[in-house]
Amino acid sequence: EAGVAQSPRYKIIEKRQSVAFWCNPISGHATLYWYQQILGQGPKLLIQFQNNGVVDDSQLPKDRFSAERLKGVDSTLKIQPAKLEDSAVYLCASSDRQGSSYEQYFGPGTRLTVT
Amino acid sequence: GENVEQHPSTLSVQEGDSAVIKCTYSDSASNYFPWYKQELGKRPQLIIDIRSNVGEKKDQRIAVTLNKTAKHFSLHITETQPEDSAVYFCAAYDFNKFYFGSGTKLNVKP
Repeated sequence: EAGVAQSPRYKIIEKRQSVAFWCNPISGHATLYWYQQILGQGPKLLIQFQNNGVVDDSQLPKDRFSAERLKGVDSTLKIQPAKLEDSAVYLCASSDRQGSSYEQYFGPGTRLTVT
Repeated sequence: GENVEQHPSTLSVQEGDSAVIKCTYSDSASNYFPWYKQELGKRPQLIIDIRSNVGEKKDQRIAVTLNKTAKHFSLHITETQPEDSAVYFCAAYDFNKFYFGSGTKLNVKP
């Protein structure tokens, strides 16, 4: 089974620039999560999709962050404009939630550095 | 929402010793508790999990215990090896969301 794919793996931008991240979940997984992981901390949920609908985006800074999951498969996360404090690893994860399975699978992450 | 606290933040043990990491949670509705291992620069990987209807689960050298009354769960690693060195995260699943602890950096000294 192929894992969760993310791109790019690394990105360096200047503050006030824009950036977009892409995630391809495991085939058939209905639930997709975007997390922000700041160095030395645990992952923090930004947004959760169930198919192409948003389940939770309460911690997404909506003035600068946006995300979409068209067709309920791939997803993109955008930051516009970026701030220094956005420097972090952005992790995408997916889960099946079929039956009694809760397990989520993480992608390799995108390391964003804002200078 | 749920609040997960994890201790200690760093743990150093000698190879062959046991390591214990503890987490507490606040919402009694949480019903699934996974543990992840994250090596430097890599993705978190699930190493063991436990559901709220089970008190203990073991998989070779690792085990997880859950005390629902006290709202805490622990990861136990026996006979530690240098390759166990990593950051470990606990999480609690509550109303379709995962809440993560702040992580424990485990260093196993050869």
